[in-house]
Formats: sequence, C-alpha cells, structure tokens
Amino acid sequence: GQQVMQIPQYQHVQEGEDFTTYCNSSTTLSNIQWYKQRPGGHPVFLIQLVKSGEVKKQKRLTFQFGEAKKNSSLHITATQTTDVGTYFCAGYSNYQLIWGAGTKLIIKP
Amino acid sequence: DSGVTQTPKHLITATGQRVTLRCSPRSGDLSVYWYQQSLDQGLQFLIQYYNGEERAKGNILERFSAQQFPDLHSELNLSSLELGDSALYFCASSVVPSENIQYFGAGTRLSVL
Repeated sequence: GQQVMQIPQYQHVQEGEDFTTYCNSSTTLSNIQWYKQRPGGHPVFLIQLVKSGEVKKQKRLTFQFGEAKKNSSLHITATQTTDVGTYFCAGYSNYQLIWGAGTKLIIKP
Repeated sequence: DSGVTQTPKHLITATGQRVTLRCSPRSGDLSVYWYQQSLDQGLQFLIQYYNGEERAKGNILERFSAQQFPDLHSELNLSSLELGDSALYFCASSVVPSENIQYFGAGTRLSVL
C-alpha cells in the first residue's frame, strides 16, 4: 500500500541547534501537509505544500517539497524550548491523506 | 481552539465493555475523521465520513464502528474493549475530503482496565 516514511523517529538537540525531519513517499503526492503535536496536545496544522520544488518559510521553520513531489522536509533553525513536540507530515495521494509516523523533537537539558 | 469538540475528555472502563465517543466538527465542515494514537505512537487512521456517508476506512477493527449523523456530528463506538484499546482517540474535520487541511479536537483518552 501507499506509505509515507518519516525519519528520524526521535531527535535530541541542544537548544539553539538545528533540527530536520524528512518524509519520503512511495507514490507521487498531490500535496503534503505538516502538523505539530505538542506534548499532551493534539495535532495542529502548520503548512501545506502543493507545487513541485516549493519552499515555504515560517519564521525559523523552512518547509520543502521535492521536485518529484515524493519527498519533503522540515528544518528548524536554532531550536527553542517552544519547538518541543512531534512533527508529522501527511501526504495526499489517491484521495487519501497518508500520515508519516512523526519525528519527536527533544531538547536536551 | 480548533472548533472541533470531542466528548468526553477522559473515559475509564473495564475490559469487555462498550463505549461511545462523540465529535462535533467545525461549523461548515462536512468531513470527519477518526484516529487512534497509542502512547507515544503515531496517528492510526480509523475511518472517514463525508456528509453522512462513509468515505474511507483505515485500520479499524471489526469491534469498532462509527457513523455521522444528519447534523454532521459523529460517534465512534468501541465494543468488547480490550486492554490494548487504551489510547487517545482524535476526531478531525475538514471542509471537504479532498486535499483539505484537518482540524483536530482535543481527543478522548480511553483507559481500559
């Protein structure tokens, strides 16, 4: 079946370091969405990418959609404690939203 | 506040019992989705409804069923509960099913003892 693989499962960073999570789909996607789930919270929509090669920025967050529309990444520059949580990608293909397993961002004390 | 309301927030029950989780979508949203999230796990898609009709099925067990009513609220029924059914159950809604952003409720935490 269709899959969206997301890596890594966890990433431990020092505050101020960068963080990146990657998603790869087995099929071409119509679009890809990114969500953030804070500890104890629910997933919240961050952004949607639609065009091949699209890059969008939200302050310290940079989202990219690959040229083949099969992969995507989220990069956070200079992480802060407010960035803690799990980041999910979700790709739309064949009338279904397929979720990645999520990457948990943990800030080292 | 996403505008999606889920009740109850917490539910504690025993194995073998049956429970009903309720979801009211955002005003104007026609599509409802149900997800299961076990501790520290990803989101498992269960089922989707659009305007009262079942639209897509994911990894939903036969012991589980759902429906969407004419007023667009939805209910997820879980029966013959097992310990492994303990999880967070999220409802999400979107305007239409196709390629649309999903807005999640705060979830119902189910504990099966």
